[in-house]
Parts: sequence; structure tokens; C-alpha cells
Amino acid sequence: GAVVSQHPSRVICKSGTSVKIECRSLDFQATTMFWYRQFPKQSLMLMATSNEGSKATYEQGVEKDKFLINHASLTLSTLTVTSAHPEDSSFYICSARWTGAYEQYFGPGTRLTVT
Amino acid sequence: DQQVKQNSPSLSVQEGRISILNCDYTNSMFDYFLWYKKYPAEGPTFLISISSIKDKNEDGRFTVFLNKSAKHLSLHIVPSQPGDSAVYFCAARGFGNEKLTFGTGTRLTIIP
Repeated sequence: GAVVSQHPSRVICKSGTSVKIECRSLDFQATTMFWYRQFPKQSLMLMATSNEGSKATYEQGVEKDKFLINHASLTLSTLTVTSAHPEDSSFYICSARWTGAYEQYFGPGTRLTVT
Repeated sequence: DQQVKQNSPSLSVQEGRISILNCDYTNSMFDYFLWYKKYPAEGPTFLISISSIKDKNEDGRFTVFLNKSAKHLSLHIVPSQPGDSAVYFCAARGFGNEKLTFGTGTRLTIIP
């Protein structure tokens, strides 16, 4: 149980374009979803927290207009990187939890490369 | 301000022996701690957790110990197996806070 999927697993896009990453909880209702970013050999950096039906809460230093997060249902959240630049190239990982759970369950991650 | 620290970036252990991964934290408001295992290019996998009201939690080969006075937790893996080779992250959560704060990770290598 507690399976989270992400799509796509890797994506290459040109500078200036936008790319959408989907995160789905497959076997539970995810009342809260989280988006992280990981740079090589570094820890996971929380970008934002989203609750179903509400606006996402962004961490300090994360541009909300650049990283658009939508949590439209209890099983789906999307992260759209708008006007991507090479410095946005990174490994993006989502996680999800259900109401009352302390644990977060992670998706497999998406490798974004901006050329 | 690194509130959760894993001071050993890497650790090598012989197969069959005990692996001990350490984690220190500074925020006394943390009341729940988790360990995750991560393979390259994959998302972290939840391993085991412990509440601050306990000092030990076991699940099969994995045991987590918590020393609140020292603000220290450790993950013991025994016996260590080749499949345990991965990066291990400890994470902490504050009371009423749904966010997790992650440590920097320890790369564990099990030597056959």
C-alpha cells in the first residue's frame, strides 16, 4: 500500500518553455501533497505544501509564479515549471500523506533537464 | 540553519555486520522522527519511525533508537545485506507541523 506515482520520470525541455509534472496517490486519498527538489549529493529541499482544494503554501525563496502547484483532487497534484531555465534542471520529487499520518510516501521522482 | 544533521556522509560495512547510522537534531519541538532509504534516481522509501514518547522501535532488521536528552537518533540494521546499500535520510517533524525536515543523508555501502 501507500504507492505514489510521478509522470514523467524524465523530461527534457527547451529554455523558455513550460513543463508539467504529475503526482498521483494510487491507493489512498492524499489530503496533503508535498513537492521537493533535490540537487546532486544534497538533501531534499521542500518547495511547497499543498492541501486538496486549497492554494499551495510555498517555502521561503521558492517563486510561486514560476512553480505552479495544483492539487485539484485527493489523488492528483501537479507541478508546472513555467518559463524554464537551465538552472531549473533538477530532480523533483513529490510525496503524499493522508489525514492523521505522520509518514510521507514519496513518488519515484522526475528528472528535469532544461537545455 | 541545518536543524537535522547527519555528520557521516558515508559509511562502509561488511555484509552480515551491524550498520549504525546516526542523526542529530537541534529543534526541541521535533516530536516524530523517520528514516528513509533512497536509491539513485528514485524517490525515498519509508523505513521506520519513532515518536518522541518512545526510545526504541523495531521492525525486522531495522531498529531506531532515540535519545531525547542528547537530541540524537540512530538507525541500526542487522544483519546488513548488499541490498541495504543506499543513501539513508533521517527526517523530523514538529508537533502539529505536517512538514518534514530532512538531514543531508548518509551513503551506506555494504561490502560483500
